[in-house]
Amino acid sequence: AQSVTQLGSHVSVSEGALVLLRCNYSSSVPPYLFWYVQYPNQGLQLLLKYTSAATLVKGINGFEAEFKKSETSFHLTKPSAHMSDAAEYFCAVSDRGSGNTGKLIFGQGTTLQVKP
Amino acid sequence: GAGVSQTPSNKVTEKGKYVELRCDPISGHTALYWYRQSLGQGPEFLIYFQGTGAADDSGLPNDRFFAVRPEGSVSTLKIQRTERGDSAVYLCASSQTATGANTGELFFGEGSRLTVL
Repeated sequence: AQSVTQLGSHVSVSEGALVLLRCNYSSSVPPYLFWYVQYPNQGLQLLLKYTSAATLVKGINGFEAEFKKSETSFHLTKPSAHMSDAAEYFCAVSDRGSGNTGKLIFGQGTTLQVKP
Repeated sequence: GAGVSQTPSNKVTEKGKYVELRCDPISGHTALYWYRQSLGQGPEFLIYFQGTGAADDSGLPNDRFFAVRPEGSVSTLKIQRTERGDSAVYLCASSQTATGANTGELFFGEGSRLTVL
């Protein structure tokens, strides 16, 4: 069965600093991996996805993530944080083991705080 | 509408009451998902529809929870005899992808916040 672990429930960075949000996955089949962002009082929005093409995936708002099979990781990074990046971030793996339904298994989430 | 619409946005009810939460997916999306998000947690899968049928209801916590999608579009999540532990944000998502071709993303609504007193 697939699962996701996000290391660090809360990350705080200064504006302009590197953002690194960690995600490790467990999957018995080649995974499809996703990062979603949830701004206050808004729905979940897709940042980027990995579906077995290029291992370095670029998403919206300057975010990117690298799929590392050897480390079973899919960490999210951004070179320079903006105040507007403050939100909750969720890593998710697609549950391809049960009929490829598109069902996502989410991590616990990481709250990103950006300090001026 | 352009996105996934969920109503009500907020629902306060008393323990033991019956609740219905509605989801209107993006037009043309055949797949529809219900998730539950408790405070400080990630979304937890409840049920998945492909068209009118519930293809996977393995996440429903017990028989008090039920969902329907009679015409393959709008879905209703029904909770009977609500308990305080049912308090959460209930999220709906839709997708164009059919079973076996799920490289697409899920489009989420803003959720229905349920509070059971």
